[in-house]
Amino acid sequence: AQKVTQAQTEISVVEKEDVTLDCVYETRDTTYYLFWYKQPPSGELVFLIRRNSFDEQNEISGRYSWNFQKSTSSFNFTITASQVVDSAVYFCALSEGQKGGASGSRLTFGEGTQLTVNP
Amino acid sequence: NAGVTQTPKFQVLKTGQSMTLQCAQDMNHEYMSWYRQDPGMGLRLIHYSVGAGITDQGEVPNGYNVSRSTTEDFPLRLLSAAPSQTSVYFCASSRFQGGNQPQHFGDGTRLSIL
Repeated sequence: AQKVTQAQTEISVVEKEDVTLDCVYETRDTTYYLFWYKQPPSGELVFLIRRNSFDEQNEISGRYSWNFQKSTSSFNFTITASQVVDSAVYFCALSEGQKGGASGSRLTFGEGTQLTVNP
Repeated sequence: NAGVTQTPKFQVLKTGQSMTLQCAQDMNHEYMSWYRQDPGMGLRLIHYSVGAGITDQGEVPNGYNVSRSTTEDFPLRLLSAAPSQTSVYFCASSRFQGGNQPQHFGDGTRLSIL
């Protein structure tokens, strides 16, 4: 069975600080996909990034960057120079790869990390 | 382009009442699913479907029924509501390509069972 752990329940930082959200996953599959979603106070879920198990390149998008390390089964998310608008709950999620049947599309979510950025 | 539309946004039920949460998508996505979100537990999969007429159970299916008669709609039924079903419910859809597609979520339904 697959599992995603986000050990940081809550993080509080001051604006302009850098912050890293941790995500550790477990799966027996060799093909899998990792995702990050953002849930702002308004409640909707916003897709941020997808990474497949064959691509360990780090990715940067503006102030956001992601570090994928298969050796430690981690997919951490860093926000550089945080802003108040970054305050949200962030979820890491895992889906397993192509299988016979539909189960490959099932997302397993971590518990989420509540990030609060104070002015 | 509406994406994934959930109705209602809020609902209060009494224990034992039945209710259907509606979900519709206009992206012609094959895959649709229902999750519930509870504090400290992330989102947990209730039921999912890979196309009209095909549904399957997720992690927490007890107390919920689903059907998929069209590609667009995927309603979730509570047959006899219980306080333990108080939660925020999210419907999601994606193209079905073996798990590599990001799922598009509706805005959620906040359900309280008294």
